[in-house]
Amino acid sequence: KNEVEQSPQNLTAQEGEFITINCSYSVGISALHWLQQHPGGGIVSLFMLSSGKKKHGRLIATINIQEKHSSLHITASHPRDSAVYICAVSPLTGNQFYFGTGTSLTVIP
Amino acid sequence: KAGVTQTPRYLIKTRGQQVTLSCSPISGHRSVSWYQQTPGQGLQFLFEYFSETQRNKGNFPGRFSGRQFSNSRSEMNVSTLELGDSALYLCASSLSGTQYEQYFGPGTRLTVT
Repeated sequence: KNEVEQSPQNLTAQEGEFITINCSYSVGISALHWLQQHPGGGIVSLFMLSSGKKKHGRLIATINIQEKHSSLHITASHPRDSAVYICAVSPLTGNQFYFGTGTSLTVIP
Repeated sequence: KAGVTQTPRYLIKTRGQQVTLSCSPISGHRSVSWYQQTPGQGLQFLFEYFSETQRNKGNFPGRFSGRQFSNSRSEMNVSTLELGDSALYLCASSLSGTQYEQYFGPGTRLTVT
């Protein structure tokens, strides 16, 4: 059973396109995290959300707690946005993470 | 502020051996979590430590263990290595737990032959 489902698994976009990655989860959460992983392995935390919406530059993350759903949007996508984006939830039950399978994004110049 | 460091970065071991990986968190962070990442299973939670206490453990066999020291540095140990243990092992630190922003280390790439 997957506590976190992400879609799409793979995404190819032209530079400048608006991109949306979706995450649905099935457990009560204390926080939802969006992570970015570039080739080579390093993971960076992009957002941590427990409600509403956050924006950093061209990245926007939203969460709907009632619907157990979050989206990550990238406006005006750029080749340097090419990476794997991972949704992770911290459940109410304790200090651990459930991870989505990741979305592999390729932005073509 | 220095980031999370992990040592060693790469490791090759033989089946049946044991291995110890180290993670030094960001100064002031008291929570350290460990993760295993494989192409087949993706990222999986191993365990989380806070103030030298393991607060949670993922669904891994008892061969996987860890500990945290009083300076918040953490180690994980895998005994009786199996081929399937080949993976990228990541640690992350945060102020107090997984409901806080996580800072990831670069990972240790373990290959078991």
